[in-house]
Amino acid sequence: GAVVSQHPSWVICKSGTSVKIECRSLDFQATTMFWYRQFPKQSLMLMATSNEGSKATYEQGVEKDKFLINHASLTLSTLTVTSAHPEDSSFYICSARDRSPDINNEQFFGPGTRLTVL
Amino acid sequence: AQTVTQSQPEMSVQEAETVTLSCTYDTSENNYYLFWYKQPPSRQMILVIRQEAYKQQNATENRFSVNFQKAAKSFSLKISDSQLGDTAMYFCAFMSYFSGNTPLVFGKGTRLSVIA
Repeated sequence: GAVVSQHPSWVICKSGTSVKIECRSLDFQATTMFWYRQFPKQSLMLMATSNEGSKATYEQGVEKDKFLINHASLTLSTLTVTSAHPEDSSFYICSARDRSPDINNEQFFGPGTRLTVL
Repeated sequence: AQTVTQSQPEMSVQEAETVTLSCTYDTSENNYYLFWYKQPPSRQMILVIRQEAYKQQNATENRFSVNFQKAAKSFSLKISDSQLGDTAMYFCAFMSYFSGNTPLVFGKGTRLSVIA
């Protein structure tokens, strides 16, 4: 099956610094990538939808200036948490949708990134 | 907007027994996809089973099967011969058929514990 990777798998940073998380589709081209946030024992909360070559669409309540998303190619999207604070500590998951028309309905998930802000 | 409801926050089942997880959804669309995802302690999201709304036949994948009731907007997951490795969070999800950029809509999840 299709593989989506995320890097890093976990990161610890100091308050006020910025952290970049990469999401890559390894064996397919992704027209659309999604970024989710998940708190312990809760469901996935959609943060934003990104399309290759265009600006991301953010969900209501998500600060676009704080969570910068770049989808520069069909295989890479990045999420940058700017000026991170302890309340940004969470598990971040990306998913990618294959552009192939015959499997355009399936999303593939990355393994997630655990962010801890001290 | 579509919503997905999982009314069982936690469930447990004895090893080798059968368990059913409930899911209901709300939509005005006629064509769509429904999914069950598994999230084990590793937190990797794993697709368990998928159902296309235009197909009347219930999807099955080995020990996993669904009971799709379109009129009732119900989509339950049955796990037969439960195994310890089935212990995980299970999320029901909806996706529009004409998906484009539309994301999955997730339920709140059901935590399943398989007991030896």
